[in-house]
Amino acid sequence: GNSVTQMEGPVTLSEEAFLTINCTYTATGYPSLFWYVQYPGEGLQLLLKATKADDKGSNKGFEATYRKETTSFHLEKGSVQVSDSAVYFCALKGSARQLTFGSGTQLTVLP
Amino acid sequence: EPEVTQTPSHQVTQMGQEVILRCVPISNHLYFYWYRQILGQKVEFLVSFYNNEISEKSEIFDDQFSVERPDGSNFTLKIRSTKLEDSAMYFCASSEAGQGRYNEQFFGPGTRLTVL
Repeated sequence: GNSVTQMEGPVTLSEEAFLTINCTYTATGYPSLFWYVQYPGEGLQLLLKATKADDKGSNKGFEATYRKETTSFHLEKGSVQVSDSAVYFCALKGSARQLTFGSGTQLTVLP
Repeated sequence: EPEVTQTPSHQVTQMGQEVILRCVPISNHLYFYWYRQILGQKVEFLVSFYNNEISEKSEIFDDQFSVERPDGSNFTLKIRSTKLEDSAMYFCASSEAGQGRYNEQFFGPGTRLTVL
């Protein structure tokens, strides 16, 4: 079956630091890949997505590239802000409609 | 901006009791979902619902669980006889129907269920 393995947290960074959150997946066929973010007290929000190999998803300064050869979809941001503090979830969607999530990574950015 | 809402935000119940978790999906969406996240674990798919019937369900979604769309706006998850291991955050989501490889799922803020 499908699975997503996500970098263990929590991650604590200083403002303007570089962020990488690793995500690898196992899936049959050609899944779509996503990063969701959850701010305190809110629901999961789609941050970015990529639907085929070598696609790069980007939003709000975050980027992730769909690497089929390494089955990875690592999230990066060049300069984090305090407002980026949240939980980040990597997810995939295969042939069915449901999403398969990773365990989530808590990011705290200190001023 | 339209959003998915869920009530209550926190539900505490005794083991063996029935609970109903409520969700109001985005009004023009036709697919509805429930996911759950046990503390410290992954977000797991429970069930999807379309055209007034279950379209997919996971192994977690056993006979103790049921879903219903009782009217034009609400989508509910019922747990008939709660167990301690049902304690989790439950997320509702909805998406548009239609063609395309992906229809974004919009998530609610979750209901935290605590079974004592």
